[in-house]
Amino acid sequence: QKEVEQDPGPLSVPEGAIVSLNCTYSNSAFQYFMWYRQYSRKGPELLMYTYSSGNKEDGRFTAQVDKSSKYISLFIRDSQPSDSATYLCAMRAQGGRRALTFGSGTRLQVQP
Amino acid sequence: DTAVSQTPKYLVTQMGNDKSIKCEQNLGHDTMYWYKQDSKKFLKIMFSYNNKELIINETVPNRFSPKSPDKAHLNLHINSLELGDSAVYFCASSRQALGEQYFGPGTRLTVT
Repeated sequence: QKEVEQDPGPLSVPEGAIVSLNCTYSNSAFQYFMWYRQYSRKGPELLMYTYSSGNKEDGRFTAQVDKSSKYISLFIRDSQPSDSATYLCAMRAQGGRRALTFGSGTRLQVQP
Repeated sequence: DTAVSQTPKYLVTQMGNDKSIKCEQNLGHDTMYWYKQDSKKFLKIMFSYNNKELIINETVPNRFSPKSPDKAHLNLHINSLELGDSAVYFCASSRQALGEQYFGPGTRLTVT
């Protein structure tokens, strides 16, 4: 079983829809949680960064962390065709190793 | 004003050859990483350097050797290339004690 599980999709939604992307994880030591967006043939781009449990909002993006359920989410409001990309969740424990453990990514397609 | 840059962007070579990939960051970060992304988009840590010191060395064949001449540079040398080494290699950097990692554009390696 992988440490971080993420549905690969593809997830296809119409423009303007609210998108929900999720990851579950098994390592209770994870404290830092990130969402990256990766366009085809590009490097991952950091979207959201949260520490421990709670919500964080940035424009159309909201990240939620529920450590009790080991579950994190990324919501995209008013989705646009330009949001079409692969979304990767990533997480790491505090201190020690600084490497991120990634999910396998969810491919999102926003139809105009 | 590229934050994390990699060269070359594409690398096509034959089995058995030796090749190097270079990475540079101008963010003033002191930790740098090499990740490998396979054909299923799964990103996996290979190495990490903090202040030119190797701190993470995952289970990677010893044909792969990272070198960090200074805090801003991390190179990856690969000896005796094999077909299975074909992948996209990403360099990333972060500031110590923070989890936010910034990725380069990737080097697409194809071994024929």
